Amino acid sequence: QVQLVESGGGLVKPGGSLRLSCAASGFSLNFYYMSWIRQAPGKGLEWVSYISGTGNIISYADSVKGRFTISKDNAKNSLYLQMNNLRADDTAVYYCARDLGQLVGADYWGQGTQVTVSS
Amino acid sequence: SHELSQPPSVSVSPRQTANVTCSGDKLRGKFVCWYRQKPGQSPVLVIYQDNKRPSGIPERFSGSNSGDTATLSISGAQAMDEADYYCRTWDSGSVVFGGGTRLTVL
Repeated sequence: QVQLVESGGGLVKPGGSLRLSCAASGFSLNFYYMSWIRQAPGKGLEWVSYISGTGNIISYADSVKGRFTISKDNAKNSLYLQMNNLRADDTAVYYCARDLGQLVGADYWGQGTQVTVSS
Repeated sequence: SHELSQPPSVSVSPRQTANVTCSGDKLRGKFVCWYRQKPGQSPVLVIYQDNKRPSGIPERFSGSNSGDTATLSISGAQAMDEADYYCRTWDSGSVVFGGGTRLTVL
């Protein structure tokens, strides 16, 4: 069955970096868009980024553009989010999700990984 | 502020119909999907392509989308339906979420 498992979250100081990973099983990343979505404490969902199955289509929210980089390794069936120059308002639970686009949306989500940016 | 507007909270009596709205110019001509999120859990897709239910979602969940307003309806609301509900659409290559609505069944 489809499973997504995030890892790599933690506590980091402002200006620091983290790399999140999302291990996928039960399907191949080659054929699906994947998204990162975050949720700040007590707040709603915020889309962060997506990448196409081939990796040639990538988009970012304005709030992270230039600081975050999405990538994937189809051979490892894993998705990544490199986060640089982190700020306090990046503190959130980060979810990876399999994304079927405009028609369907994100049909499978991971359990999330906590990122806390604090001095 | 969010580009898709949802009421922060909606209350419904058990067995009545709850309607959660999602409005904004970005909805015009776009498909909408809806997610349910219970405390401490990941979101779950409950409606896609405006009005379709994924397998495993009860028939009491339905959706509609007209003009600049989409609506998630839960008929015969049950205590287990208490959760936060989020609408989502795509616009100009980006994904947009509504601010979320806390549904209370009381």
